[in-house]
Amino acid sequence: GAGVSQTPSNKVTEKGKYVELRCDPISGHTALYWYRQSLGQGPEFLIYFQGTGAADDSGLPNDRFFAVRPEGSVSTLKIQRTERGDSAVYLCASSPRAQGAGIYTEAFFGQGTRLTVV
Amino acid sequence: AQRVTQPEKLLSVFKGAPVELKCNYSYSGSPELFWYVQYSRQRLQLLLRHISRESIKGFTADLNKGETSFHLKKPFAQEEDSAMYYCALTEYGGATNKLIFGTGTLLAVQP
Repeated sequence: GAGVSQTPSNKVTEKGKYVELRCDPISGHTALYWYRQSLGQGPEFLIYFQGTGAADDSGLPNDRFFAVRPEGSVSTLKIQRTERGDSAVYLCASSPRAQGAGIYTEAFFGQGTRLTVV
Repeated sequence: AQRVTQPEKLLSVFKGAPVELKCNYSYSGSPELFWYVQYSRQRLQLLLRHISRESIKGFTADLNKGETSFHLKKPFAQEEDSAMYYCALTEYGGATNKLIFGTGTLLAVQP
């Protein structure tokens, strides 16, 4: 594909419901990141995958948030028992970076999924 | 604490005027600094990084470790520069390359 693809682009859900947000990274990119951007704020790191494994999940706010990347490509961010405070734009980014490379490789961002919890 | 501070939410200038978007950081390790830009209805993209010392679209940024700053500058603003600009850092040579972003500055270049 031409770039990182995120679906849906917009999601409205009721408080307490479960949602899944999908990210299709650029083909061949081994590193995948999720960020959350609340209104008026910059993106905040949530989780980083290197291949299939979550190498750093220190940014997940609580145990209602979970993400998977079972085949090392597509990733899904899952939010249980959504709260109004979860409303934000969720950004996905991917890069060709290899684990432990020690050199920054540019991360390419998707358009984001705007989640609104009512 | 690791933090990136962009003190201005909005910077409005006239076309042809100089631009300086301020960025200060607080980081305990050895950071690598970046500027990201988001044009209207487009995705976030990398503008420049301090290590490459490039000039992209006429913009430059110098890392000042003494003042812990990484201000973005352009001598003559163009209308197409209007966008949201985010300063960000990561740990140089780090294991994850996760980014810490500032809150962003909206640059509005008036004709």
